[in-house]
Parts: sequence; structure tokens; C-alpha cells
Amino acid sequence: NAGVTQTPKFQVLKTGQSMTLQCAQDMNHEYMSWYRQDPGMGLRLIHYSVGAGITDQGEVPNGYNVSRSTTEDFPLRLLSAAPSQTSVYFCASSYSLTYTGELFFGEGSRLTVL
Amino acid sequence: DQQVKQNSPSLSVQEGRISILNCDYTNSMFDYFLWYKKYPAEGPTFLISISSIKDKNEDGRFTVFLNKSAKHLSLHIVPSQPGDSAVYFCAAVREGGSEKLVFGKGTKLTVNP
Repeated sequence: NAGVTQTPKFQVLKTGQSMTLQCAQDMNHEYMSWYRQDPGMGLRLIHYSVGAGITDQGEVPNGYNVSRSTTEDFPLRLLSAAPSQTSVYFCASSYSLTYTGELFFGEGSRLTVL
Repeated sequence: DQQVKQNSPSLSVQEGRISILNCDYTNSMFDYFLWYKKYPAEGPTFLISISSIKDKNEDGRFTVFLNKSAKHLSLHIVPSQPGDSAVYFCAAVREGGSEKLVFGKGTKLTVNP
């Protein structure tokens, strides 16, 4: 089982460029989410989805877009990158957040915006 | 407003001793609590959880205690091992409610040989 797979693992962007962080899971989880981790800030929720076609905002959604066309995939789009979006991004999935709360995380994508 | 607080950014203990990591929460609607462990350059992994109907949950060397009246939980690691050195995140969620798992800022545990 691959679990949660994130690509790319590393990316450097210039301010204003756009890109998509890919996330795929093979556990048939309905719940998927994106977090960012910054020094001293812990893990902050960006967007989440409770199933295909359903997405909602988390704590820090500005500057990011998501869509959920399939159960397996949950891409995170940065439309116009800013230096403040330099961070490590984690995708996570769960069978049901309100049932067990256990999230399965990917290995992370380190993004640097110059 | 931080709903889940881990007030100690770091903790250092000797191998074989007990490690106690603390977590406080402000939202009384939270009723399920989890601890995650994170090594550098890896994603967090689930460690242990506790429901609000319990005050203690054990899994091997790891025990989580919940004090609902104080809105406080703690993770005890006994005995501590060098491989336990990692960042530990406390998290909380409301079962049957909002699908948002809220994390604390984390505590970096260092276990010295």
C-alpha cells in the first residue's frame, strides 16, 4: 500500500508563478485535507474535503484553491505564489475524521517562493 | 485564538526516565483527542488517542491522560528511549461535528542517551 503520496517533494517558485501540489491516496478514504507547517506555528489546516465534489476552507485558505473530482486525488493549487507561502505542505486522509480522528499523512512537499 | 495549546516548545529527558508532554484546550466542544509524532523530513504519524468518555488510555510505553474539567491532557512516555526524540503534536476534534482537526504547535522531545 502506497498510502498518501505527495508530489513534488521539493519545489522552488518565483513570486507570481502558479503551481499545483498533487496528493493521491489509495485507501479509499473519504476525508482529505491539506496542512501547512511553519516554524513555531504547528500544523494549520488550509482546505479539506469530506468526499468527491465537496470541499471547504480551513484556518488559512487564502491564496490556495482545491478541487475533489475523485475519491483518490486532492490537488492544492497556488494561483500566484507569494513568499509568505514558503512552507512545508502535508496532505492527509482519513476514513472518517469524526469517527476516529486518525489522519494518515504524506511525506510532505517543501515549497520555497523567492 | 489558539484552541489547542502546547506551551512547552521543547523538552529534554534522560533515557529511561519518564517524558511528560502537556496540552491544553479551550473549546469545550472538543471530545476526541489525539497525539501525533513527527520525525524530521517525514509526515506526522498517529500515536495514541482518547475519547472524552475516558480519562486514560494506554498503548505500551505511551499513556494519555485527560482531565476534562481542567481542559488538559498529557502524554506520558515510560521509559523514554532515544528513538522517541521527535516533535509531538496534540490535536483535538469534535466527534460528529465539524470536520476540522485542530493541532497544537508541537513540543520537541529530545531523549538523551
